[in-house]
Amino acid sequence: DTEVTQTPKHLVMGMTNKKSLKCEQHMGHRAMYWYKQKAKKPPELMFVYSYEKLSINESVPSRFSPECPNSSLLNLHLHALQPEDSALYLCASSLGQGLPKETQYFGPGTRLLVL
Amino acid sequence: AQSVTQLDSHVSVSEGTPVLLRCNYSSSYSPSLFWYVQHPNKGLQLLLKYTSAATLVKGINGFEAEFKKSETSFHLTKPSAHMSDAAEYFCVVLGGNTPLVFGKGTRLSVIA
Repeated sequence: DTEVTQTPKHLVMGMTNKKSLKCEQHMGHRAMYWYKQKAKKPPELMFVYSYEKLSINESVPSRFSPECPNSSLLNLHLHALQPEDSALYLCASSLGQGLPKETQYFGPGTRLLVL
Repeated sequence: AQSVTQLDSHVSVSEGTPVLLRCNYSSSYSPSLFWYVQHPNKGLQLLLKYTSAATLVKGINGFEAEFKKSETSFHLTKPSAHMSDAAEYFCVVLGGNTPLVFGKGTRLSVIA
C-alpha cells in the first residue's frame, strides 16, 4: 500500500479563520513533507519532518504551523492566511531522511481558497 | 547542488503516436531521478525512478526513461499516446540527502 491520504479535499476560509489540514500514511514511513503548489507551477517544499522532528523549514511564514503528533500523522495549522496563500497543499512521505535513493509518495492534496 | 531542466513547457501529440518529454539534470552526486505525473486537480503519482541500477527504467502505463550520464539526460518516452496520458509531467532529481528538486513541468496534450 503506497497511499497517503489528505483531508479535507477542499477548504475555503476567511483571513481571520483558523483551520487545519491533515495527512496520514500507514506505510511505516518516518519522513513526511508539506508542499505548496500554485497553479501551473511545480510543488515548493515547505516543511520536512524526520522521525517526528522538524528537520527543514523553508522560511515559511509563521501563519503556517506544522505538527507531527506521531509517525503516521502530519498536520498543517493555518491562521490569519492571506489570499495569496490560496494553492494546492500536498503532503508526501518517504522511508526516512538520511536514506539515499528513497522515493516520496504524494497524497491527492487539499485545495485551499482564502477569501 | 542539484538542478533539473525540462526542455519543453508544452508538448502536443496525436493519439497513438510516440511521446517524448525531455529532461536534463545537474547533480554533484550520483543522482536519483524520478518522473511524476499530475492529472488536473490531482496529486502527484510516481511514474518511474532511476536509482543507479539499470539505465533503462520501465514505469507504469507503458512509460519508460533512459538515464544517459554522458548527456546528463533522463528523457521520458512512450510508444503510443493515449488520451488519458494528457497531464502535467515533472522530472525530479534527488541527490545525497537533499529534498527533491523539481523541474518546471511539461504539459502533455493528446489530440484525438
